Amino acid sequence: QSVLTQPPSASGTPGQSVSISCSGGSTNIGANTVNWYQQLPGTAPKLLIDSSNQRPSGVPDRFSGSRSGTSASLAISGLQSEDEADYYCAAWDDSLNGCVFGTGTKVTVL
Amino acid sequence: EVQLLESGGGLVKPGGSLRLSCAASGFMFNSYAMTWVRQAPGEGLEWVSSISSSETIYYADSVKGRFTISRDNSKNTVYLQMNSLRAEDTAIYYCAKGRMTTAWLGVDYWGQGTLVTVSS
Repeated sequence: QSVLTQPPSASGTPGQSVSISCSGGSTNIGANTVNWYQQLPGTAPKLLIDSSNQRPSGVPDRFSGSRSGTSASLAISGLQSEDEADYYCAAWDDSLNGCVFGTGTKVTVL
Repeated sequence: EVQLLESGGGLVKPGGSLRLSCAASGFMFNSYAMTWVRQAPGEGLEWVSSISSSETIYYADSVKGRFTISRDNSKNTVYLQMNSLRAEDTAIYYCAKGRMTTAWLGVDYWGQGTLVTVSS
């Protein structure tokens, strides 16, 4: 049972922008940083955004993250076919004393 | 280059046990937290357990009392001992490297995963 809520799907045509929301609460997103992960079909997840808005080395600047209050979002600009994947947000939850993942969003490039 | 190699998965009967191992290389293992995350077939990611560099341990409620995480810094390996396994524990189990010494900042690198199937 995920504590962080994401839309199940999002889509766009090549070149368009897509935004994915992640809704949480005061004990997780409201208190700690958010990480975003990309999971391509049949592969392990990969860190896409850390500390809510930082891109690790090698991640294209088409990907950006933000956090406000108890919500976070991931934006993909200039959508490309290789961006078709599942995306998950994650944050530490001070009440559960553990990490919580979002429900996941499947991005489709039309 | 950071590498995480999980092993120990397989088919086990309900109520049985398995021990997963994750051999790490390419970073100073004793300075980072380590985490296990699982993914049931066709489902999302579920955090299982984390151990900090100072061996502070955290468990998801779903595995507390049944699973035990540990680390051997001399072998650069983290373990997950899984007892009293249930059908709902069936999943790919990923080992992941923490971003820092503590678990609460999340993980950066992931292994390829090992499949655990609990079935009679």
